[in-house]
Amino acid sequence: GEDVEQSLFLSVREGDSSVINCTYTDSSSTYLYWYKQEPGAGLQLLTYIFSNMDMKQDQRLTVLLNKKDKHLSLRIADTQTGDSAIYFCAESGDMRFGAGTRLTVKP
Amino acid sequence: NAGVTQTPKFRVLKTGQSMTLLCAQDMNHEYMYWYRQDPGMGLRLIHYSVGEGTTAKGEVPDGYNVSRLKKQNFLLGLESAAPSQTSVYFCASSYSSSGNEQFFGPGTRLTVL
Repeated sequence: GEDVEQSLFLSVREGDSSVINCTYTDSSSTYLYWYKQEPGAGLQLLTYIFSNMDMKQDQRLTVLLNKKDKHLSLRIADTQTGDSAIYFCAESGDMRFGAGTRLTVKP
Repeated sequence: NAGVTQTPKFRVLKTGQSMTLLCAQDMNHEYMYWYRQDPGMGLRLIHYSVGEGTTAKGEVPDGYNVSRLKKQNFLLGLESAAPSQTSVYFCASSYSSSGNEQFFGPGTRLTVL
């Protein structure tokens, strides 16, 4: 079947930028999503991008989409300790989620 | 609004036992979903529903059944639990499908011994 792939771990220092990458395979997906999961909680939508866009910026978050390579990234500027969580990318076509990237922010 | 709620929060079963997980949403959403989350595998869709009285299979439906008798409730049943069904189960709902945010419940941690 179609897979959504992410690296499992990312560690950064507070104040640095974090970049979380994702590749997907379903080219029919209209939307691509980033969800955040904090410990012991469900997922919350962080941001999303429409498939005909290349970039979307929302405060500290920047989403880049390379449709040709089916590559999605989430950049978090000025990363804070409160950003420590698991980040999932997901595609709308068949609602497949990546395995999640655990972001650890060190003070 | 409570959003999406799930009961129970935790459960331990023995192999072969049955149980039902309840999901409720108060946002008048049409679509509801059941996922399981396993380490290193992300979320996998078990079953979903596009409206009251309808259900459909997701990516990993075997061993599970669902029912959507009322719009606000989506039940996930395990008829004969197996250790492979040890997981964290999340319910979600959305107004419609593509382009609409899914709202997730807090999860149910199920252990099958």
